[in-house]
Amino acid sequence: EPEVTQTPSHQVTQMGQEVILRCVPISNHLYFYWYRQILGQKVEFLVSFYNNEISEKSEIFDDQFSVERPDGSNFTLKIRSTKLEDSAMYFCASSDIGVAYNEQFFGPGTRLTVL
Amino acid sequence: SQQGEEDPQALSIQEGENATMNCSYKTSINNLQWYRQNSGRGLVHLILIRSNEREKHSGRLRVTLDTSKKSSSLLITASRAADTASYFCAWAERDSSYKLIFGSGTRLLVRP
Repeated sequence: EPEVTQTPSHQVTQMGQEVILRCVPISNHLYFYWYRQILGQKVEFLVSFYNNEISEKSEIFDDQFSVERPDGSNFTLKIRSTKLEDSAMYFCASSDIGVAYNEQFFGPGTRLTVL
Repeated sequence: SQQGEEDPQALSIQEGENATMNCSYKTSINNLQWYRQNSGRGLVHLILIRSNEREKHSGRLRVTLDTSKKSSSLLITASRAADTASYFCAWAERDSSYKLIFGSGTRLLVRP
């Protein structure tokens, strides 16, 4: 069964460093998303991406964040200068059509620890 | 707030019993989806119910949706120890096609 994959599973970085989280969405999906979950809290939407541009983003997704689909398979989230409060589990998700109509499938997550 | 609530926050039952989790949301929606999350792991999609549906079944799962009350429930019948996990509802708002809003989740413990 097709699935969303994410690498790395755990990333440890120093405050102020840049990190890139990588995702490979399900191959025939067209919509891509990033969410995050701070330990013990709700899952929060960060950004959605369709047709090579951001469709929607949340207040959390400020200028420190960016997304890119560098090739036909990868979808990345970059945090330019990490802060302690960026420590969280980051989930990538994808859907074949918009989430208004169909299921969204999540990857296993990348646990980001900022020291 | 866009967020809703789930209750109970935590639920402990004996294997074989049924577990019911409730979700409330605040806006008009296109659909509502339920996910399971094992401790520290990813989100597994369980079931999607559309705004024009009232009930849906999948194996031991039964989901209901009451759009007049802006609420949904997830029933797991004949629970197993392997059902121990956190369960989240998430909804797609009618005026936004591009994101899911998640509830606060219910932590379910099924005792063998």
